[in-house]
Amino acid sequence: GAGVSQSPSNKVTEKGKDVELRCDPISGHTALYWYRQSLGQGLEFLIYFQGNSAPDKSGLPSDRFSAERTGGSVSTLTIQRTQQEDSAVYLCASSFEAYTQYFGPGTRLTVL
Amino acid sequence: GENVEQHPSTLSVQEGDSAVIKCTYSDSASNYFPWYKQELGKGPQLIIDIRSNVGEKKDQRIAVTLNKTAKHFSLHITETQPEDSAVYFCAASTGGADGLTFGKGTHLIIQP
Repeated sequence: GAGVSQSPSNKVTEKGKDVELRCDPISGHTALYWYRQSLGQGLEFLIYFQGNSAPDKSGLPSDRFSAERTGGSVSTLTIQRTQQEDSAVYLCASSFEAYTQYFGPGTRLTVL
Repeated sequence: GENVEQHPSTLSVQEGDSAVIKCTYSDSASNYFPWYKQELGKGPQLIIDIRSNVGEKKDQRIAVTLNKTAKHFSLHITETQPEDSAVYFCAASTGGADGLTFGKGTHLIIQP
């Protein structure tokens, strides 16, 4: 069946611009996760959704980052006023029972 | 919070030999330990996982062992093949809202 999909696959933006990253989880998976992968920080957990609710947003790197999920399916991660240190691969994962997580291919974000 | 250490950072083995990657974790509440394989330009792919009520799990050439008392777990790959070359990540979690805490990764190189 279809796996987790993410769009765009690559995004190049200028410092100070806003970007929106999209994640389509596996159908029926109620849990959704966002991670960031960078050379310096490795793979770091950002936020978790159970249905449309994110109980803890403290993992988001700064108040420029926000995430939402609608209809218990698609999720978007928005970064406002992008900075060069935001350059990374942003990964989304989904899970049926909040343990086994399946990852998408990621969005590579480059901030010039 | 949880801290996961992974060793070695690079591992080179001859094709057909075995490879072992080791991880330690700090939070005794962690009860789920997956391993992911990541190829260049792709998202992490789940290859095997283990829960804390099990000491060992095997799937064809791949096995994982868990020692809860010592807080360490290991990945064993036997009869290595060229397609096993990739970066491998271990992770630990309590499930649900906490997400996965990843090790820094091991670059496995299979020498022909």
